Amino acid sequence: DQQVKQNSPSLSVQEGRISILNCDYTNSMFDYFLWYKKYPAEGPTFLISISSIKDKNEDGRFTVFLNKSAKHLSLHIVPSQPGDSAVYFCAASAKGGSEKLVFGKGTKLTVNP
Amino acid sequence: GAVVSQHPSWVICKSGTSVKIECRSLDFQATTMFWYRQFPKQSLMLMATSNEGSKATYEQGVEKDKFLINHASLTLSTLTVTSAHPEDSSFYICSASMPSGGAVTDTQYFGPGTRLTVL
Repeated sequence: DQQVKQNSPSLSVQEGRISILNCDYTNSMFDYFLWYKKYPAEGPTFLISISSIKDKNEDGRFTVFLNKSAKHLSLHIVPSQPGDSAVYFCAASAKGGSEKLVFGKGTKLTVNP
Repeated sequence: GAVVSQHPSWVICKSGTSVKIECRSLDFQATTMFWYRQFPKQSLMLMATSNEGSKATYEQGVEKDKFLINHASLTLSTLTVTSAHPEDSSFYICSASMPSGGAVTDTQYFGPGTRLTVL
């Protein structure tokens, strides 16, 4: 049973445009969500997180939106840059993040120059 | 800051041998270290959680006698794959949790991973 789902395995976007990566979860106990970026043969790098008490968190070009009623979150990257090309993982945790992280399968983002 | 290293970055071994992978937090003391495994085009699967000086907590389905975890200090954890078989070939990634000083959660910082190939 996959508790965190990233239904789009890949996404291609033009440089300068907005990239929107989506993530759905099924476990209503999850209350802390994170996005990680991963290059091939490297470990994931933390990007941005959001607690369930918020519906939006912004950090530079990255914004994460959380819709608790829909059990859906999204990562917006604007403007997209070629260096953003990577696999993006959504992860979720319960109890304010003190429980283990559960990862989605990832979405491969390609930003074309 | 918050750098986590892993050694080796890749290893090839014969079936039946044991392989040790090291995970180090270079510039902070990690309260907890985690070991993940990733198969191609799959998500990271948590194998075990380890706290310094205590036994690791393994996830369901992970054989503790096969995947030995030692957390000797606040900056070092090791994963030993004992009697490795071809099905153990995978990408193993560790992470170290940095104390957040009262924030909601301790952020996990990941190592670069170790590619294990068992012939």
